[in-house]
Amino acid sequence: SQTIHQWPATLVQPVGSPLSLECTVEGTSNPNLYWYRQAAGRGLQLLFYSVGIGQISSEVPQNLSASRPQDRQFILSSKKLLLSDSGFYLCAWSVGSGFYEQYFGPGTRLTVT
Amino acid sequence: KQEVTQIPAALSVPEGENLVLNCSFTDSAIYNLQWFRQDPGKGLTSLLLIQSSQREQTSGRLNASLDKSSGRSTLYIAASQPGDSATYLCAALYNQGGKLIFGQGTELSVKP
Repeated sequence: SQTIHQWPATLVQPVGSPLSLECTVEGTSNPNLYWYRQAAGRGLQLLFYSVGIGQISSEVPQNLSASRPQDRQFILSSKKLLLSDSGFYLCAWSVGSGFYEQYFGPGTRLTVT
Repeated sequence: KQEVTQIPAALSVPEGENLVLNCSFTDSAIYNLQWFRQDPGKGLTSLLLIQSSQREQTSGRLNASLDKSSGRSTLYIAASQPGDSATYLCAALYNQGGKLIFGQGTELSVKP
C-alpha cells in the first residue's frame, strides 16, 4: 500500500531563517507530487507541483521554492522566511492509473516568529 | 475563473440525523471531483472521488453525487455520529494531474 510522509510535524522559525520541508512517498512509482499551503481561514492553495524528477511548476510567485531530487521525494525550501509564510503545509501525490485521486500527507505546522 | 463554493460554512446536527453538504463549481468541464475530510490539525483524508462520467459514488454511510450540467455536487451522510465531526472539503480537478481547486469547507459538528 502507498504511504506519504512529511517532516517535521511542527516547526517554529524566526523571520529571515531558512526552511526545508521534506515529503516522501512509498509504494508507488512516478507519482505527481504537490505542495499546498493552508493558512488560517483561507483554504488550501497550491504552491508547486511536479510531474517528474527535476520538473517543477510554480503556481504562486513567492519566496518559496521546490525541488524533486528523487522520484518519490519532494522538498519545499526558503532562503529567508517571512511572517506571512506561517501556515499548515501539506504534501500530496496522485497517479494517472488512479484517476489522479490526490492523497495527502499529515502536514507540517510552520510558525514564523 | 474556476471557483468552488461550499455552503454552509458550518453545520451542527444531533446524532442520528441524515445530512447533506453542498458544493458548487463554476466551470462544468471538470475531470473529477473529490470529497475530503479534515480533522483539526491533521491532513486531508480522501473520502470519495467521482469521475466526470459518473453520477455518484458510495462508501459506507457516505454518498456523493455529481451533476456537471448544474455545477453541483452533494455529500450525503446517513445516520450521523459524533465521530463524523470534522471539516469536509470538496475539490475539483480540471486537468489530468493538475491542481485541485478547493472549496472553503463545511465544518460539521454532530452532537451526542
